[in-house]
Amino acid sequence: GESVGLHLPTLSVQEGDNSIINCAYSNSASDYFIWYKQESGKGPQFIIDIRSNMDKRQGQRVTVLLNKTVKHLSLQIAATQPGDSAVYFCAENIAFRGYSTLTFGKGTMLLVSP
Amino acid sequence: DGGITQSPKYLFRKEGQNVTLSCEQNLNHDAMYWYRQDPGQGLRLIYYSQIVNDFQKGDIAEGYSVSREKKESFPLTVTSAQKNPTAFYLCASSVKVNYGYTFGSGTRLTVV
Repeated sequence: GESVGLHLPTLSVQEGDNSIINCAYSNSASDYFIWYKQESGKGPQFIIDIRSNMDKRQGQRVTVLLNKTVKHLSLQIAATQPGDSAVYFCAENIAFRGYSTLTFGKGTMLLVSP
Repeated sequence: DGGITQSPKYLFRKEGQNVTLSCEQNLNHDAMYWYRQDPGQGLRLIYYSQIVNDFQKGDIAEGYSVSREKKESFPLTVTSAQKNPTAFYLCASSVKVNYGYTFGSGTRLTVV
């Protein structure tokens, strides 16, 4: 099927390496951030989230870092595995006409070689 | 199992036809969303609904319409006014504002 990864920034790593995926967000008023993983032809899956009152949050093999000063978010994946190969999106929560919705970045493709 | 179901998985439309994409959730989520995904462009918000019988336009609502008559259902109609409808459409829901979304598996629409 058609790839959602065409023309995306790509990070290529070897199995077992640590991966770092970066994201710059746009709105200094954003108060909630999420990382999603999307495999080809599937819907995005939630990985980890962080609120703006934190600068670091850890999950299983994943860590999200938030730097509000420079509006930067990163996702660290420890001991990357071939099953981690996918497109990764960051999303920020932005208020819009009194409601809040998530705005997504364009994504980064992670390729893990055995 | 609780989840969000989109149907059909693949849909083909002739130019000038309206088509409706289905989205159903049994998660008891209040909010539902429709996104469009094109290669290399991430996800763009079409419409969203925070409660039944209420919905709001997103960034790219032109050529689309929605309804929210039931909490569980948020169908999207792609009308003939949408000039470039070929894309991957994703439906999502969330328990409330400012929480993460659960996504469906998507519908790939192709205009032939």
